[in-house]
Amino acid sequence: QSALTQPASVSGSPGQSITISCTGTSSDIGAYNYVSWYQQHPGKAPKVLIYDVTNRPSGISNRFSGSKSGDAASLTISGLQAEDEADYYCSSFSGSSTPVLFGGGTKVTVL
Amino acid sequence: QVQLQESGPGLVKPSDTLSLTCTVSGASISGSYYYWGWIRQPPGKGLEWIGSIYYSGSTYYNPSLKSRVTISVDPSKNQFSLKLSSVTAADTAVYHCVKHVGDYDRSLEYFQYWGRGTLVTVSS
Repeated sequence: QSALTQPASVSGSPGQSITISCTGTSSDIGAYNYVSWYQQHPGKAPKVLIYDVTNRPSGISNRFSGSKSGDAASLTISGLQAEDEADYYCSSFSGSSTPVLFGGGTKVTVL
Repeated sequence: QVQLQESGPGLVKPSDTLSLTCTVSGASISGSYYYWGWIRQPPGKGLEWIGSIYYSGSTYYNPSLKSRVTISVDPSKNQFSLKLSSVTAADTAVYHCVKHVGDYDRSLEYFQYWGRGTLVTVSS
């Protein structure tokens, strides 16, 4: 059981928008703006898509966007493309005994 | 471009100590505002943060592994290392080294760069 809760899977058709949720607590997502999102293709290392809730690193498509409300964060992928089919993980800094938390991961399928 | 490369044995016996080294290029391991860390991923499962170290030696560890983990840094070689003792089959995973952005003693923010990872299998 992961500390942050994500849906196991999300799917969408090409061109659609999908949103992946990441639910934490008032000790992690609710307390800090240090939520990040990672994309992982099979057999590859994860890659950061979003950091500090809403920021995109250089080179990351603006189709990826992040947000936060209360104890939950979200990653939205707009204009879904075949290449977006991958696993996605959220992470947050935490004031609890475990300072870094991950979600269990969400598998995105492009129909 | 920052690159990280893990190295170490791919097979470790149960009860032994797993030892991995990460060699960093394109960035000084003695830089400010970032840590160096380890993350693992058991086959078919999710990511687990193991711990992170600042170049000064200050560390953060995952409490679930803290009693068995040591992360150290060698600025002269621009490397950092992981030791995990008393391993069992449950420690079989791909181990990634990472550059971990964070403010010294205040926050751990995000994993900016990742090594490709190395599979470590625990088996006799």
